[in-house]
Amino acid sequence: ETGVTQTPRHLVMGMTNKKSLKCEQHLGHNAMYWYKQSAKKPLELMFVYNFKEQTENNSVPSRFSPECPNSSHLFLHLHTLQPEDSALYLCASSQEPGIGANVLTFGAGSRLTVL
Amino acid sequence: TQLLEQSPQFLSIQEGENLTVYCNSSSVFSSLQWYRQEPGEGPVLLVTVVTGGEVKKLKRLTFQFGDARKDSSLHITAAQPGDTGLYLCAGASGANNLFFGTGTRLTVIP
Repeated sequence: ETGVTQTPRHLVMGMTNKKSLKCEQHLGHNAMYWYKQSAKKPLELMFVYNFKEQTENNSVPSRFSPECPNSSHLFLHLHTLQPEDSALYLCASSQEPGIGANVLTFGAGSRLTVL
Repeated sequence: TQLLEQSPQFLSIQEGENLTVYCNSSSVFSSLQWYRQEPGEGPVLLVTVVTGGEVKKLKRLTFQFGDARKDSSLHITAAQPGDTGLYLCAGASGANNLFFGTGTRLTVIP
């Protein structure tokens, strides 16, 4: 596979469930990102990982917990979510750190619905 | 947070028509990117403009960066159904900040 792959593509969960989103990039990039895309709102940057280390957490609630075991994989662990967390979660990567200075390659997203 | 407003929010046109979408801000950006996001997919970068007044062409798409580097426009000539999608602009402020607009959803009717 090439590019940025996200699984699952669709997820429905209750507020008490625990689930995880997975992102894998086959590009040899050194930076990975989680974004949230909600209707009528700009893409919101959630987390930034450079060389596997988290460098940014944009005031994201603790019910979202990221994990980056290596530079190719990124997870977003979800627990006790709220209905307003329903959105498309996009993973992206860039060759080098620096979100404003490098081209982002996005995955197709994981569509999350919280009941 | 630096706000980028895109207009129109929605646009539905017939195949063959021309259109322009706008991305405006009160902030100055070091560069500006345009993405297209097709249904069920993630955004894909179309172009990056860096210099104030810069014009870039990508087949039937023409991108312009404002002289003051605060705004940008995307003009599509003879729109095709394959142009359908969500168009997003994103302004870079230094190496570590990228702000996305709210998007223009374009539908081209065959």
